[in-house]
Amino acid sequence: DAGVIQSPRHEVTEMGQEVTLRCKPISGHNSLFWYRQTMMRGLELLIYFNNNVPIDDSGMPEDRFSAKMPNASFSTLKIQPSEPRDSAVYFCASRDYSGIKPSEQYFGPGTRLTVT
Amino acid sequence: GQQVMQIPQYQHVQEGEDFTTYCNSSTTLSNIQWYKQRPGGHPVFLIQLVKSGEVKKQKRLTFQFGEAKKNSSLHITATQTTDVGTYFCADANQAGTALIFGKGTTLSVSS
Repeated sequence: DAGVIQSPRHEVTEMGQEVTLRCKPISGHNSLFWYRQTMMRGLELLIYFNNNVPIDDSGMPEDRFSAKMPNASFSTLKIQPSEPRDSAVYFCASRDYSGIKPSEQYFGPGTRLTVT
Repeated sequence: GQQVMQIPQYQHVQEGEDFTTYCNSSTTLSNIQWYKQRPGGHPVFLIQLVKSGEVKKQKRLTFQFGEAKKNSSLHITATQTTDVGTYFCADANQAGTALIFGKGTTLSVSS
């Protein structure tokens, strides 16, 4: 399996622009997570989906952030408009969640976002 | 809210020395997962502990879950330069549907 795929790997944009990050989870996995990592705040959970349905978006910092999962093999995280403080590495992770046994998460390589 | 604290935040050792990172919680941990993130990389799952007092080993790495399930530790014996990275512990949230990550311990090793 190719693992979790994220694109782009690097994104540099100007303040005010719209940014869209993409994620393809591991085939067969039914849970998908979006994280943001910064030196100051560590690894923060933004939102997660089970079976394509958003379960908890309480970690989404502001209304400027939105996430979708139109099908089991694709998710997007959108920031509109972007601000310099959004600069971070954004990770997508997936796992096979049975609801019974805890299971590990598989992380993608991340998207390094720089907003100038 | 649910929090997982890790100490120390940073640790530097000479190659061959041992290293330990600790994960603590004021509430009972449901299960603990440990991840390693190499510099510039992404978190990679190492192991999961579920039972009180559980001890698991992976070569030079020893993972422990406290008897009261309020703490966990990762011990590396005779560190090598390949051990460099940030080690995270994570606990399941109350619903069991997501993970709450600690801030991590960043290990550097000099040869």
